[in-house]
Order: sequence, then structure tokens, then C-alpha cells
Amino acid sequence: AQKITQTQPGMFVQEKEAVTLDCTYDTSDPSYGLFWYKQPSSGEMIFLIYQGSYDQQNATEGRYSLNFQKARKSANLVISASQLGDSAMYFCAMRENGANSKLTFGKGITLSVRP
Amino acid sequence: DTAVSQTPKYLVTQMGNDKSIKCEQNLGHDTMYWYKQDSKKFLKIMFSYNNKELIINETVPNRFSPKSPDKAHLNLHINSLELGDSAVYFCASSQDRWLASDNEQFFGPGTRLTVL
Repeated sequence: AQKITQTQPGMFVQEKEAVTLDCTYDTSDPSYGLFWYKQPSSGEMIFLIYQGSYDQQNATEGRYSLNFQKARKSANLVISASQLGDSAMYFCAMRENGANSKLTFGKGITLSVRP
Repeated sequence: DTAVSQTPKYLVTQMGNDKSIKCEQNLGHDTMYWYKQDSKKFLKIMFSYNNKELIINETVPNRFSPKSPDKAHLNLHINSLELGDSAVYFCASSQDRWLASDNEQFFGPGTRLTVL
């Protein structure tokens, strides 16, 4: 079974609108972390936001927030007030607990912001 | 003052050649990683080192050999390159290997390898 699932096709949003990018995950480990990374067309991987499995509140970082629903095993990224520079590929990733924890990535979602 | 740097940024080579990609981080991190991003943009861990010790070795052909001369460097050597090795290779580092809220992985700019 896939650990991280991102099934949305290419997403489009109007500038200044909010958009939600979906991510579901699968783990039996009670302790894990969820990450979102942005990859613009230039290719670099940019860390956006982190949510720990024991965090009581949803993570927020500026215009990024994470809608964490633990029982449903979902960790959707919400981008508010979209900007043209938000056009990129977005990856959800999970890191399970353990000494050799590694990032397992989803397939990514392409977001295009329309002016 | 780049945090994680990789050289070269682009690498074009013939099948059968041996090549190396270098990675350096100046963040003082203990743990470094190599990821491969294929043509469909899928990212997968290859190796991880913690303080020069190999801690993750995914199912990767043994033509790929990582080398960590010190904890700030993690190089990737590839022998007998094949067409399927064409991909973008990312180096990354994190403070340490434990799961923590401030222990995100910082990625290098990537090396685009094209095997002809």
C-alpha cells in the first residue's frame, strides 16, 4: 500500500483565492511527521510546513496551513491568498519514527495560479 | 553561503561511464541523504549517512556507491551508467536522524543526470 497518496490531477486557482491540496497517508506508527515541500519549475525543493502526529493544533506558516485530520489520516495543505509565484509542484511527505527515519514522498500535485 | 550545494548541476554522459556527484552542507548537520527524482517527478530515498555512518541503504543497484569523507560531505559515485539512471539526484541534510518538529530536511539544488 502506498504510504503517501496525492491523487488530485493538476490544480488551478485564481490569484488571491485559497486552494487546498490533498494528502492522505498510511502508517501504523503512532509517532510520525508530515511535511509539505514545494518544487517550482527551477527544480529546487523548498520546505513549507511540518505537522507532528502528536501536535494538538494544526500547523501554520504564513499563508500555508495544514488541515490535519488524524482519524482520517489526511494532511491537506491550504494556501491562502494564492500568488502567481505559488505555481509549482507540491509534495506531501511522511517521516515515521525510528532512528533511521526517512522521508517517503507522494507523487506530487501541480498547482497553477491564474492571474 | 549556500546551505546544501551539489556539483555539477548538469551532467551529460555516455552509457557505461563512471561519474560522481558531490554534495556539501555548511549547516553543521549530522545526517545527509541522497534522493532520486525520476522523469515522472517521483522522489525516492537512496541512501542516508549519519556522522559518516551509512544508516539507510534502499534497494539501489550496487553500481551506486555513496561516500562520506566527513559529516559535511556526501558524494555519490555511479559505475557503468545506464540509460535508466537518467534522473535528477538531490542531496539533502537534516540536523540529525530523529523525528522532530525542527528537523526538516534541507535539499540541494539537484543534479540533472542525462545518460546517452
